[in-house]
Amino acid sequence: GAVVSQHPSRVICKSGTSVKIECRSLDFQATTMFWYRQFPKQSLMLMATSNEGSKATYEQGVEKDKFLINHASLTLSTLTVTSAHPEDSSFYICSAREPGSPSEAFFGQGTRLTVV
Amino acid sequence: GIQVEQSPPDLILQEGANSTLRCNFSDSVNNLQWFHQNPWGQLINLFYIPSGTKQNGRLSATTVATERYSLLYISSSQTTDSGVYFCAVAQTGANNLFFGTGTRLTVIP
Repeated sequence: GAVVSQHPSRVICKSGTSVKIECRSLDFQATTMFWYRQFPKQSLMLMATSNEGSKATYEQGVEKDKFLINHASLTLSTLTVTSAHPEDSSFYICSAREPGSPSEAFFGQGTRLTVV
Repeated sequence: GIQVEQSPPDLILQEGANSTLRCNFSDSVNNLQWFHQNPWGQLINLFYIPSGTKQNGRLSATTVATERYSLLYISSSQTTDSGVYFCAVAQTGANNLFFGTGTRLTVIP
């Protein structure tokens, strides 16, 4: 199957700083990528859809100024958590689907963010 | 949005036992996938199965799209099968996957 790589896998940052998470599709081009958030022992919640060359689409209740998404190329999307606070601590995971619709989605390894 | 419910929420099995996990969804879908989330959080793709039946080793899955449910069968369970199983669906005409509530499976020796 297709490979989606996410970096970093784990990050600890101080309250008030910003953190950038990268998501790359390694062997296919993805015009659309997806960002999810998962709290302990809960399901994955879709945060936003990242569109190459245009603005991201955010799900209801997700602060677009807090979670900045940039999809600069067909293989890279980034999520920046701005002015992070302890309540932003969570597991963030990205996804991309192979070309063609509908198609199978593949997920990155996830990033565990801890804000202290 | 679409509602995705999984049952049971928790399941404890003796090694070697068989099990069936269920995923119900509230609207028509063009994509349904089953995942196994390992202890490190990685989502492992099990099946891409918007309809029909597939088998892969000890695992098989069936989706009856007209009745809005999917089943994941695990036979001869092993301790390495432990973890959380998610189904995820995309509504017809949409690209984004929405995840179910998950089933936490524990297989004991």
